[in-house]
Amino acid sequence: NAGVTQTPKFQVLKTGQSMTLQCAQDMNHNSMYWYRQDPGMGLRLIYYSASEGTTDKGEVPNGYNVSRLNKREFSLRLESAAPSQTSVYFCASAGYHEQYFGPGTRLTVT
Amino acid sequence: GQQLNQSPQSMFIQEGEDVSMNCTSSSIFNTWLWYKQEPGEGPVLLIALYKAGELTSNGRLTAQFGITRKDSFLNISASIPSDVGIYFCAGHSGAGSYQLTFGKGTKLSVIP
Repeated sequence: NAGVTQTPKFQVLKTGQSMTLQCAQDMNHNSMYWYRQDPGMGLRLIYYSASEGTTDKGEVPNGYNVSRLNKREFSLRLESAAPSQTSVYFCASAGYHEQYFGPGTRLTVT
Repeated sequence: GQQLNQSPQSMFIQEGEDVSMNCTSSSIFNTWLWYKQEPGEGPVLLIALYKAGELTSNGRLTAQFGITRKDSFLNISASIPSDVGIYFCAGHSGAGSYQLTFGKGTKLSVIP
């Protein structure tokens, strides 16, 4: 039982490049979330998926897209990376109100 | 929107001391959660609280759901070096919402 897994763990992109962050959970949770964490800003919600087939914007969705591929997987895509997207990205899943987080992806955009 | 004020922002304590931190909100929450994040890791859920007045322990950690539903407290007894990290509170407002509101964290440093 791995919980929430994220790949990759680290990534460096050049401005304008695209990439997809992958997230999977094995807890049979309905809800999944993508956050970014920046120094002094705490955790900010980018997008969430309340259930398979639905996605909704969070606090900071601009520049990102998501796909809820199935119940287990929720991916985050940066179409044209910008330096302002340098951050640590966390995926989380929840069966009720308790969210469980993955280990994070550390992304640097140069 | 809803905001959580978490205090203190940081604290330095001697090993063996007890620690208290709290979160306050301008609005009511139905669930309070406490997380710990260590450097380079994701937040880990420590304690979940579901009822006003509830007091729940997890080892040396004790958390309380305030009776006004607008605050929560976390205490750590007899701190040890591995307690170092950032502690976050989070609140859930209730039915119809899938989102948590997070505090900005309390950074704990333990001096051996």
